[in-house]
Amino acid sequence: KQEVTQIPAALSVPEGENLVLNCSFTDSAIYNLQWFRQDPGKGLTSLLLIQSSQREQTSGRLNASLDKSSGRSTLYIAASQPGDSATYLCAVRDSNYQLIWGAGTKLIIKP
Amino acid sequence: EAGVTQFPSHSVIEKGQTVTLRCDPISGHDNLYWYRRVMGKEIKFLLHFVKESKQDESGMPNNRFLAERTGGTYSTLKVQPAELEDSGVYFCASSQPPTSGGWVDTQYFGPGTRLTVL
Repeated sequence: KQEVTQIPAALSVPEGENLVLNCSFTDSAIYNLQWFRQDPGKGLTSLLLIQSSQREQTSGRLNASLDKSSGRSTLYIAASQPGDSATYLCAVRDSNYQLIWGAGTKLIIKP
Repeated sequence: EAGVTQFPSHSVIEKGQTVTLRCDPISGHDNLYWYRRVMGKEIKFLLHFVKESKQDESGMPNNRFLAERTGGTYSTLKVQPAELEDSGVYFCASSQPPTSGGWVDTQYFGPGTRLTVL
């Protein structure tokens, strides 16, 4: 059974710092992995999607990596800004095509 | 283009009552998904419609939950009778199958309905 874990559960850093969010999954048989962002009272926004054959994806200040064999992904945020404050969720598309989610990391960027 | 919308945004009901949640997907999207997040836990898949057909309902917790998508447009999720453990945020998402035929469908999520059962 696929399980997704995100560490840490919460993180608070000063503005301008670079930071890394971690995601691990127990079964390497995945189709892809996605990082989402959730703002309070709003829906989930897909940030990056990495196919199982890919190692990383980049979008602006965000870089996501995938090491399928070790069951790990990281989301790197460069030069953090207060607007980056949100909950970040990791989800894998498992062998049954379902999205299996982590519990999320709540990120606070202090001005 | 309008995104996925959900109604209501918040519902507070008493145990034993019935509640119906609605999701309007992005126009033209054949895939519609329901998810639930119970407080403090991860989001869980409930079910997946392709047009009006239930493609996968393996995540539905029990027979108190009934999802419909008549006409392949909007969907409703009814909880009857509601129990305390049904409290949480219910998300809906929609997508179109990728033209390449692979599994790179991007799901667009609604803002969710926060359900509180007292």
